[in-house]
Amino acid sequence: SQQGEEDPQALSIQEGENATMNCSYKTSINNLQWYRQNSGRGLVHLILIRSNEREKHSGRLRVTLDTSKKSSSLLITASRAADTASYFCATGGLNAGNMLTFGGGTRLMVKP
Amino acid sequence: DTAVSQTPKYLVTQMGNDKSIKCEQNLGHDTMYWYKQDSKKFLKIMFSYNNKELIINETVPNRFSPKSPDKAHLNLHINSLELGDSAVYFCASSQGNSGGYTFGSGTRLTVV
Repeated sequence: SQQGEEDPQALSIQEGENATMNCSYKTSINNLQWYRQNSGRGLVHLILIRSNEREKHSGRLRVTLDTSKKSSSLLITASRAADTASYFCATGGLNAGNMLTFGGGTRLMVKP
Repeated sequence: DTAVSQTPKYLVTQMGNDKSIKCEQNLGHDTMYWYKQDSKKFLKIMFSYNNKELIINETVPNRFSPKSPDKAHLNLHINSLELGDSAVYFCASSQGNSGGYTFGSGTRLTVV
């Protein structure tokens, strides 16, 4: 079973609106990461938040982490058509090897 | 100057064949990985490898084997291919025990 589960599975918004995606996980983590995948391409690392951090920003991205609820959210502000992609959360566990466990992804469509 | 490169990009082969997928990274990262992405976009870790340690996901059939001639390369060899092996395989690398990944662009394997 997947460690992380994204919600919603699909999201469609208009350009300029904000997009919020949520991720829940099950076990204790070292860090949580968000990735973007455009259709037919590899995943691109967006942001990493460590277990002792609560919020992190990068450009139009804002990530929050609530370890007590085992959940994270990714907010994309002022969305653009180019933000259309699948977004995945991934958790880095306390195990060796830095293996990430990925959720099923949220498919975001931003309409121009 | 591609950071993580995989070859081939597409691979179509018959059941029972043996095939290899190559991966090279020029980032100087110390850890490399192989992931499998199925038709529903779920990503599953297969292997994690650095100079010291190979970590194998126990659910991966032993028909799959990673081969690393040096720290910049981690190839994936698959014996006796089955229909269920059809998927997109991603190579990735990272530095240290808690860094973000850099992914290759993927190899779409189709077994007929």
